[in-house]
Amino acid sequence: DVKVTQSSRYLVKRTGEKVFLECVQDMDHENMFWYRQDPGLGLRLIYFSYDVKMKEKGDIPEGYSVSREKKERFSLILESASTNQTSMYLCASSLFSRDTQYFGPGTRLTVL
Amino acid sequence: AQTVTQSQPEMSVQEAETVTLSCTYDTSESDYYLFWYKQPPSRQMILVIRQEAYKQQNATENRFSVNFQKAAKSFSLKISDSQLGDAAMYFCAQNRDDKIIFGKGTRLHILP
Repeated sequence: DVKVTQSSRYLVKRTGEKVFLECVQDMDHENMFWYRQDPGLGLRLIYFSYDVKMKEKGDIPEGYSVSREKKERFSLILESASTNQTSMYLCASSLFSRDTQYFGPGTRLTVL
Repeated sequence: AQTVTQSQPEMSVQEAETVTLSCTYDTSESDYYLFWYKQPPSRQMILVIRQEAYKQQNATENRFSVNFQKAAKSFSLKISDSQLGDAAMYFCAQNRDDKIIFGKGTRLHILP
């Protein structure tokens, strides 16, 4: 079974802090994705990566950056957290870019 | 822009009954994938069913089946013999280039 893990289930940070969200997958998947999920808005893609050190902007990249130094790990970085970045963050991975994505349990981030 | 529309934000069904969740999409591609994902209250998103557009036959997974109408760009999910464990948010999704586009979700309640 594919396993995607995220470093924290719940995180509370203060405005202006730098925040790192980590995601690790154990199935040697090429593609990894970061989404944020908000009530009534569904899932919105922040960034994705189709290879080590490669990244592509999704639909809402502003205020975020990513890092993929190893194939199994994909990090989402909030350079200076703001209250409007309070949300649920979901990581996913897939073997082929068009195919089934496997999700982590999510990180509920609260920015005070 | 390609969109995925779920017109029912919330639905309820009696336990053991059948319920159908609606989804329409918009694409100019001829070959694509469609998905239904389930997100139970524990928040881990899992794949329910997947349909490849070039296949005429509707996909089925146990109590879950789809009604895929390619010309109408419709992809509904039917859940038979509903169980309490089916209570969740259900997301319809379609691949677009190297990404997957999600609808805003339908929250399904199961009434005992």
